[in-house]
Amino acid sequence: QSVLSQPPSASGTPGQRVTISCSGSSSNIGSNTVNWYQQLPGTAPKLLIYSNNQRPSGVPDRFSGSKSDTSASLAISGLQSEDEADYYCAAWDDSLNGYVFGTGTEVTVL
Amino acid sequence: EVQLVESGGGLVKPGGSLRLSCVGSGFTFSSYTMNWVRQAPGKGLEWVSSISSAGTYTYSTDSVKGRFAVSRDNARNSLYLQMNSLTAEDTAVYYCARGSGSFRGPDNWGQGTLVTVSS
Repeated sequence: QSVLSQPPSASGTPGQRVTISCSGSSSNIGSNTVNWYQQLPGTAPKLLIYSNNQRPSGVPDRFSGSKSDTSASLAISGLQSEDEADYYCAAWDDSLNGYVFGTGTEVTVL
Repeated sequence: EVQLVESGGGLVKPGGSLRLSCVGSGFTFSSYTMNWVRQAPGKGLEWVSSISSAGTYTYSTDSVKGRFAVSRDNARNSLYLQMNSLTAEDTAVYYCARGSGSFRGPDNWGQGTLVTVSS
């Protein structure tokens, strides 16, 4: 049972902006930074955003992250067909003393 | 280039044991926390265990405590997960993932190894 809640799905047409929310609590998002992972179909997850809003080298600037209190969000602007994937937020949880993932959001490009 | 290669997955009967391995290359293995993360078929990601760079500290999710043990051999650039008393709920792809040196969480992942628990 995931501690971080995400909408199960999101969609948009090519070029549109899509936003994915991630809701947590004071013991995880409220006191630690948030990371986002992209998982393309049939592949291993890949780090997309770290420390709330930082992009690893090679990740397009169409992807951006933000955090406020106990929630975080991932925005994909200029949506492209290759962005069809599952997206997971994640953070350390001080109460559980472990790393927690969100429930995951499947993004579809219409 | 960071590479993580898992092995050891397979079919095991309920109550059985399995040992997963992960070999890291392209980075100084002994300097990084390492993690195991699993994904049941059609489900989301679940963190399983972490081990500090020297192996001094380990952390595990509650559902595997007392059954799974994470360890490492820095001389062999290797991470292990000893899994005992396996149940059908442990069926998943198990990923080895390197902990970042600059933030808390995995930054590089292996391709995964499938563990199937079934009679």
